[in-house]
Amino acid sequence: SAVISQKPSRDICQRGTSLTIQCQVDSQVTMMFWYRQQPGQSLTLIATANQGSEATYESGFVIDKFPISRPNLTFSTLTVSNMSPEDSSIYLCSVERTVNTEAFFGQGTRLTVV
Amino acid sequence: ELKVEQNPLFLSMQEGKNYTIYCNYSTTSDRLYWYRQDPGKSLESLFVLLSNGAVKQEGRLMASLDTKARLSTLHITAAVHDLSATYFCAVDGGTSYGKLTFGQGTILTVHP
Repeated sequence: SAVISQKPSRDICQRGTSLTIQCQVDSQVTMMFWYRQQPGQSLTLIATANQGSEATYESGFVIDKFPISRPNLTFSTLTVSNMSPEDSSIYLCSVERTVNTEAFFGQGTRLTVV
Repeated sequence: ELKVEQNPLFLSMQEGKNYTIYCNYSTTSDRLYWYRQDPGKSLESLFVLLSNGAVKQEGRLMASLDTKARLSTLHITAAVHDLSATYFCAVDGGTSYGKLTFGQGTILTVHP
């Protein structure tokens, strides 16, 4: 199984500010994924982060709001920009290392915007 | 667009009873996951089902996959309180593996 470390595990932020979430994997992976889980809801994919190229965003998510970096094969960051209370969610990163293995999730970042 | 629907969304069970959670999905996929989530926690992987007819069991939980019917089931046998959690199914339907579409989740509560 992959070991995924996410930082911070939780944060309380003021509206209008930005927060960068880090995701570190214990081995190289081709793609990393960022999900959002709003309170009481299921998970929704935000974007796919590929090393060496721009992230691919899902419908309803834009780069200006959720810029993503992927500087190498073991690390990615997601920034939640210009936050509002509606951004209060759990943000999770995920990897699938190779074909026919599981999709693993980090511990998640619980974000509260006040 | 891939859609994944779970039912029931809420399940209240007595200890010792059996029940099944259903997961329907709308387009062809060769990979289906079941996850458990405890309150305030991340996702714990339970099962990965990769082919039609796949059946996997772990303890009191058994998952199966029927790709022709686009249906997966998670069967709970002789429920115990420790199984109380939210259970998600997720389907890998993207052109690249790892892009998951999740069901709404089933909140399971097991009562003594």
